[in-house]
Amino acid sequence: GAVVSQHPSWVICKSGTSVKIECRSLDFQATTMFWYRQFPKQSLMLMATSNEGSKATYEQGVEKDKFLINHASLTLSTLTVTSAHPEDSSFYICSAPPVGWGGYTFGSGTRLTVV
Amino acid sequence: QQQVKQSPQSLIVQKGGIPIINCAYENTAFDYFPWYQQFPGKGPALLIAIRPDVSEKKEGRFTISFNKSAKQFSLHIMDSQPGDSATYFCAASITGTYKYIFGTGTRLKVLA
Repeated sequence: GAVVSQHPSWVICKSGTSVKIECRSLDFQATTMFWYRQFPKQSLMLMATSNEGSKATYEQGVEKDKFLINHASLTLSTLTVTSAHPEDSSFYICSAPPVGWGGYTFGSGTRLTVV
Repeated sequence: QQQVKQSPQSLIVQKGGIPIINCAYENTAFDYFPWYQQFPGKGPALLIAIRPDVSEKKEGRFTISFNKSAKQFSLHIMDSQPGDSATYFCAASITGTYKYIFGTGTRLKVLA
């Protein structure tokens, strides 16, 4: 089945620094990937859709300049949280659309803690 | 109209019990309804999914019941086990859009 690998699984950074999260489709090509944010005990909130070869599409209310998304190849999408602040601390999850019939495949998530 | 309402928020059952999680939607254009299971600190994993042309789908101990006229669908877990303790999310989407609308999640605890 389709596998999405996400790294790192957790990261702690100082306020004001930037953090990059990678999402790779291991056994399939993904022209589109999705980035979600999840607060503790809450549902998944779609942040943006990353498109290979073009600009990402951001959901309403998501700061484009804070959450930089790059879809460098058909198997790699990255999310960079720039000038991170404690309120950016959250669980970030990427996903890729189904290959044929089926649901999204999600990465294992990245726990970001900004101190 | 884009919301998917999920209930209950949390659920505790004894081992062997049959927890039932319900979801309701408004948008009749939705045509794909997956359920995801999420363990703490992990990404969601697809459990089972259904399309509106069938009223029930079963995979192992997991069953989805779908009521198109009521715009509701539910997840039943037969012979629940402590290992089933997790958060369950329902979702809805329109084929081709790839945009999922997630429910708010149900935290299930199965007691040994």
